[in-house]
Amino acid sequence: DAGVIQSPRHEVTEMGQEVTLRCKPISGHNSLFWYRQTMMRGLELLIYFNNNVPIDDSGMPEDRFSAKMPNASFSTLKIQPSEPRDSAVYFCASSAEGPQNRPQHFGDGTRLSIL
Amino acid sequence: EDKVVQSPLSLVVHEGDTVTLNCSYEVTNFRSLLWYKQEKKAPTFLFMLTSSGIEKKSGRLSSILDKKELSSILNITATQTGDSAIYLCVPIQGAQKLVFGQGTRLTINP
Repeated sequence: DAGVIQSPRHEVTEMGQEVTLRCKPISGHNSLFWYRQTMMRGLELLIYFNNNVPIDDSGMPEDRFSAKMPNASFSTLKIQPSEPRDSAVYFCASSAEGPQNRPQHFGDGTRLSIL
Repeated sequence: EDKVVQSPLSLVVHEGDTVTLNCSYEVTNFRSLLWYKQEKKAPTFLFMLTSSGIEKKSGRLSSILDKKELSSILNITATQTGDSAIYLCVPIQGAQKLVFGQGTRLTINP
């Protein structure tokens, strides 16, 4: 079975540029999560969606960050304009919500470097 | 504020040793607790613990939750070099919101 698919795997760009990260959740999963991981702060939840609707975006650092989920099989995380402090690994995860708790399954991440 | 404290932060042992990783948490509206293993890429799921006192096992790994003490432990017996990773204890708060700590970095030397 295909897991969570993220693209690109690596992104290197200059500060000020727009960056778009993409995620395809596991088919049938209706919750999707975006995380950021750095050495200093560990894993941080940025935003999560349930049935394509953003439920909690309190982790989004600032207005430069935005996320969308236009349908059940696709989500984007956009940073505009990007800054060097945005450099991190960005993970997308998905889970199936149901009467029992379901673990989140993570994609391989996008390693973002802003120069 | 929700928080997770794992100990030790770092652990180095020899192959064949047994290790116990500790986790304590303070989470509002606690639902369950997950353990993940993270090597070079994404965290991979190990266990989900919902009920207190019931041990879950998978090969050489086992874990148990103590809701009264707000804690959990992860045991690894007969460690192997492939067990080297960061182990994340992750309580679920409310509607599937994961609360992450710093993890325990485990290094198994041959």
